[in-house]
Amino acid sequence: QVQLVQSGAEVKKPGASVKVSCKASGYTFTGYYMNWVRQAPGQGLEHMGIINPSGGSTSYAQKFLGRVTMTRDTSTSTLYMELSGLRSEDTAVYFCARGRGGYFDLWGRGTLVTVSS
Amino acid sequence: EIVLTQSPGTLSLSPGERATLSCRASQSVSSSSLAWYQQKPGQAPRLLISGASSRATGIPDRLSGSGSGTDFTLTISRLEAEDFAVYYCQQYGSSPYTFGQGTKLEIK
Repeated sequence: QVQLVQSGAEVKKPGASVKVSCKASGYTFTGYYMNWVRQAPGQGLEHMGIINPSGGSTSYAQKFLGRVTMTRDTSTSTLYMELSGLRSEDTAVYFCARGRGGYFDLWGRGTLVTVSS
Repeated sequence: EIVLTQSPGTLSLSPGERATLSCRASQSVSSSSLAWYQQKPGQAPRLLISGASSRATGIPDRLSGSGSGTDFTLTISRLEAEDFAVYYCQQYGSSPYTFGQGTKLEIK
């Protein structure tokens, strides 16, 4: 079954880091670029960046430069997104999504990250 | 950065009616690189349309996308109960990829 399974919800304190995982199955992991998109409560969608699972190259949205790191483990077909320096505005659901030339045809169910003191 | 503005913010219609959702870009979207997604509460977005007018696998032909340049439209010809949700457009013609703020389609 083609799917993306994400890790569970996280609660973090301001200033901390969070690492979210996304395990792909049912398709060739290295055959598609992967993306991270977040959605703050009651808000719209925001693209954070993209990673090529084949070579590991990344491209991050300007807003997240210096705070986000996207990696992958090809042996387990798993992606990781680490966000550091968390603040309350980072409270959101974080989605991984498979890219098809820029649009996203397969999504994980999302991981809620809550930043609260 | 291309800013996408969706209208209306909320659309109230009855089942069986026709829905027309608009997505306007602040500059031309290259190669009609425009997608539409549907999102229901507590769920991930679902791809409906790519390339401005190509339906994704399993999407009924009641849904259609059109437009080019800066003006794009998603039309649902006969609304069914499952169609009431939030719809987002997304451009992927230039970096950074951006989304519209969404249109909520609610039952009247």
